[in-house]
Amino acid sequence: GENVEQHPSTLSVQEGDSAVIKCTYSDSASNYFPWYKQELGKRPQLIIDIRSNVGEKKDQRIAVTLNKTAKHFSLHITETQPEDSAVYFCAASRLIQGAQKLVFGQGTRLTINP
Amino acid sequence: ETGVTQSPTHLIKTRGQQVTLRCSSQSGHNTVSWYQQALGQGPQFIFQYYREEENGRGNFPPRFSGLQFPNYSSELNVNALELDDSALYLCASSPGTSLNTGELFFGEGSRLTVL
Repeated sequence: GENVEQHPSTLSVQEGDSAVIKCTYSDSASNYFPWYKQELGKRPQLIIDIRSNVGEKKDQRIAVTLNKTAKHFSLHITETQPEDSAVYFCAASRLIQGAQKLVFGQGTRLTINP
Repeated sequence: ETGVTQSPTHLIKTRGQQVTLRCSSQSGHNTVSWYQQALGQGPQFIFQYYREEENGRGNFPPRFSGLQFPNYSSELNVNALELDDSALYLCASSPGTSLNTGELFFGEGSRLTVL
């Protein structure tokens, strides 16, 4: 079945440095790749997403890159701040009219050290 | 515009019992999905409802069932509870197909503990 592998499971960086989280997916038909941030006890919230017809997307300090051939996609956070500390989940799905099943990675616990 | 709301927020059941979790979708959204998130894991897709019909299901046994009502709110029912059913159950809504950007709007979840 579909599978999404996410690495690393934990990541600790100094405030101001960059953080990179990587994911691989198995279903070559996947065409939508969102990243969700989940703070402790809170709901997952979308921070950025990318579709398979685009190789890179940026939103201020956050960027996502996609390599369809290798079935890899990555989240890049620059100039990290303490409020970036959270668990981050990548996901993949086939976005088809009327139906969507997100397959999530295992999550990365990001800690920003002041 | 109201967001996705879920109830109850926390509940404790014993093995073999049955539970019903409820979800109100975000205003204007007619698609609801349910996910199970075990502690320290990513959410796992249970099923999705679109206009009161189930239109996608993950690898969960038939004792996991659901409903969607005409106002697009939804219920998740789990029968014959097992210890491994202990998890955070997340409901997510999204707009109709023509407006679907892919983003899911999650509720805060219902934390189920099975003893």
